[in-house]
Amino acid sequence: GAGVSQSPSNKVTEKGKDVELRCDPISGHTALYWYRQSLGQGLEFLIYFQGNSAPDKSGLPSDRFSAERTGGSVSTLTIQRTQQEDSAVYLCASSLGRLETQYFGPGTRLLVL
Amino acid sequence: GDSVTQMEGPVTLSEEAFLTINCTYTATGYPSLFWYVQYPGEGLQLLLKATKADDKGSNKGFEATYRKETTSFHLEKGSVQVSDSAVYFCALYRDSGGSNYKLTFGKGTLLTVNP
Repeated sequence: GAGVSQSPSNKVTEKGKDVELRCDPISGHTALYWYRQSLGQGLEFLIYFQGNSAPDKSGLPSDRFSAERTGGSVSTLTIQRTQQEDSAVYLCASSLGRLETQYFGPGTRLLVL
Repeated sequence: GDSVTQMEGPVTLSEEAFLTINCTYTATGYPSLFWYVQYPGEGLQLLLKATKADDKGSNKGFEATYRKETTSFHLEKGSVQVSDSAVYFCALYRDSGGSNYKLTFGKGTLLTVNP
């Protein structure tokens, strides 16, 4: 069956621009996660959704980052006023429920010039 | 807080050599433990997992045993292939009863297998 998909696969933007990253989870998966993978920080957790709700947004690195999920399916991670330190691979994962195995998408590679 | 420490590498082996990548963890309670693999240019794939002490996870010739007494989950393979070249991540997941459910990852180990 279809796995987790993410778009775009690559994004190059200029410092100060806004970007939107999209994640389509596996059908039927109620839990969705965003992580960031960067050279200096390894794999960092950003946010978790159960259904359309994100109970705790404290993992987001700054108030320039926001995320939403609609219809219990697609999620969008938005970064406003991008900075060079936002350059990283943004990974999305989904699972059947909050205690189930997480399956990852291929990631979006973001480069901020 | 929870943490995972793994051998950072890089590790370079010849084909058919024995592989061990060490992983230890710090967490209260009873976490589930995972190995994920990231092949060049691809996303993370679940390799194997173990959900309780003394469980052995296995897949594609790789094995890891959940050792609570040593808080370890070392990855092993008896005979590596060139196609095993990838970055390997050890991770844990714990139901802390809070509102975030996240994997905590080690920093990853780059494995290169030469023919």
